[in-house]
Amino acid sequence: KAGVTQTPRYLIKTRGQQVTLSCSPISGHRSVSWYQQTPGQGLQFLFEYFSETQRNKGNFPGRFSGRQFSNSRSEMNVSTLELGDSALYLCASSTTSGGALGEQFFGPGTRLTVL
Amino acid sequence: AQSVTQPDIHITVSEGASLELRCNYSYGATPYLFWYVQSPGQGLQLLLKYFSGDTLVQGIKGFEAEFKRSQSSFNLRKPSVHWSDAAEYFCAVGAWGTNAGKSTFGDGTTLTVKP
Repeated sequence: KAGVTQTPRYLIKTRGQQVTLSCSPISGHRSVSWYQQTPGQGLQFLFEYFSETQRNKGNFPGRFSGRQFSNSRSEMNVSTLELGDSALYLCASSTTSGGALGEQFFGPGTRLTVL
Repeated sequence: AQSVTQPDIHITVSEGASLELRCNYSYGATPYLFWYVQSPGQGLQLLLKYFSGDTLVQGIKGFEAEFKRSQSSFNLRKPSVHWSDAAEYFCAVGAWGTNAGKSTFGDGTTLTVKP
């Protein structure tokens, strides 16, 4: 079974631009969570989607948004990029609506650099 | 609110020596605990998890962890470290209910293995 895939793997943008990252979960997984990883803040939860509905949201500004499609693929969008948005964005999928009820499987991440 | 503390930012051990990585958590109910490993530029790989039952859990790559409710700890151990174990290790706590799918991670411990 294929793992979680994230595209693109690397991205360079400039301040003020917007970006869309994509995540394809493991086949059959309906929950997709997004995390931001930075050296200063560590791993921080962004949001979780299950069956096209946002179930949980972390403490990030409204510039960060996401959605999930009927095939469980998910996208996250960051508008008006800031230098501080440079990070590794990780996607994780799970079989249930709660990652804690079933283990989360992580993708390799998208490395976003904002110049 | 749930939280995870990994007291050791960086640990260095010699190859073949034993390893213990510390993790303390704060959570109001029965915690769901995980250890992940991350190699440079990669996503997170689950080493082991604790949901309930036997407090000593076995994971992949020869790792084990012991859940101690009285100490709010979930320390990761390995009897003999291999050079390939050099990586960053994250302890995480999951949750039920409205916070399901939202794991909280510690800041990580970087393991260096000396030859």
